[in-house]
Amino acid sequence: EVQLVQSGAEVKKPGESLKISCKGSGYSFTSYWIGWVRQMPGKGLEWMGIIYPGDSDTRYSPSFQGQVTISADKSISTAYLQWSSLKASDTAMYYCARRGVGATSMDVWGQGTTVTVSS
Amino acid sequence: DIQMTQSPSSLSASVGDRVTITCQASQDISNYLNWYQQKPGKAPKLLIYDASNLETGVPSRFSGSGSGTDFTFTISSLQPEDIATYYCQQYDNLPLALTFGGGTKVEIK
Repeated sequence: EVQLVQSGAEVKKPGESLKISCKGSGYSFTSYWIGWVRQMPGKGLEWMGIIYPGDSDTRYSPSFQGQVTISADKSISTAYLQWSSLKASDTAMYYCARRGVGATSMDVWGQGTTVTVSS
Repeated sequence: DIQMTQSPSSLSASVGDRVTITCQASQDISNYLNWYQQKPGKAPKLLIYDASNLETGVPSRFSGSGSGTDFTFTISSLQPEDIATYYCQQYDNLPLALTFGGGTKVEIK
């Protein structure tokens, strides 16, 4: 079964760093792009960026460039989203999702990771 | 950057009704338009890809059409299990971007 399994919920204080993960299984992890999507409480979906684990080619939405870092470790089929200094406005649900080979869409999604940033 | 305008932002319809949602791109995106369903507390699910192709396992009451800048998503006969928020998403290759529309919340009247 093809699946993406994300790390668990996080509660952090402003200024702290954080790295959440997304582990792929059931397919060739290095052959598909993995994207990250933010959903703030009660709001819509926002595309943050995407990485190709095969060569770590990474692209960011202009809205998120410089705010987060996307990375991947192909040896353990895991992609990451990290912050160096969290803000309260980073409180959201974060989803990873796979972009199909040569596709324009995201066909497999993780279950989501809730990040809460509060003092 | 390509902007996506989705409408309406919400709608209420009866079981069995035909429901239509539109998505407009700020520039020509060919058929690079996808539709997702998100039920409360769940991850989004791909329903339609490349404007009109039904994802495997998705009921045939869901359909999509359009090309260029104007796209339509239709539920031919609304069912109680279709209560969700629906999002369009465009794909741009240069630069690589997958931008979502604002979403349409579908409720039962």
